[in-house]
Amino acid sequence: GAGVSQSPRYKVAKRGQDVALRCDPISGHVSLFWYQQALGQGPEFLTYFQNEAQLDKSGLPSDRFFAERPEGSVSTLKIQRTQQEDSAVYLCASSSDRIFGGYTFGSGTRLTVV
Amino acid sequence: GQQVMQIPQYQHVQEGEDFTTYCNSSTTLSNIQWYKQRPGGHPVFLIQLVKSGEVKKQKRLTFQFGEAKKNSSLHITATQTTDVGTYFCAGRRAQGGSEKLVFGKGTKLTVNP
Repeated sequence: GAGVSQSPRYKVAKRGQDVALRCDPISGHVSLFWYQQALGQGPEFLTYFQNEAQLDKSGLPSDRFFAERPEGSVSTLKIQRTQQEDSAVYLCASSSDRIFGGYTFGSGTRLTVV
Repeated sequence: GQQVMQIPQYQHVQEGEDFTTYCNSSTTLSNIQWYKQRPGGHPVFLIQLVKSGEVKKQKRLTFQFGEAKKNSSLHITATQTTDVGTYFCAGRRAQGGSEKLVFGKGTKLTVNP
């Protein structure tokens, strides 16, 4: 596609509910990144894929967070048993070059846990 | 771990004034990138700097990468209302094998017409 597509755009979850956030990267981009952005803050790294391989998941805040990219294109970020501190915008980005490529970000999913 | 600091956190200018934001990394970087995020939007890639001492220009924007590859700056000449937004620097450490970009907290620019 022409850009990075994320869905849903907004998600309200009750505390304890599981959520799944989808990212459809630019076609042909092998690198895919997930970031979390709290209000007024910079994006914080969560995890990174090179094709279907998850090469770095050091930023995932707990074992309630899980990401996958089974066929090397679409990726899903899953959060289990959501808590209020999970409320944030979740940004997905893709890049054609894992070292020297600029990131193209999607519009993000704004998650609100009530 | 790697940290990227940006100052100032906020900057208010009158239209036509210049603006500069500074970025410092706790580690040597392989490259640094700059992004702009409009209110309610997502970060948009502006530029990447790779070489020590590199200077790049995009119209009224001038980007610099320090000689030690640990700091960078973005300067906007004669700001316009369209420059409003938050400017983020993001760096990738030169050693350690990590390929992730670490973002600063950003500088939020407001421009009074």
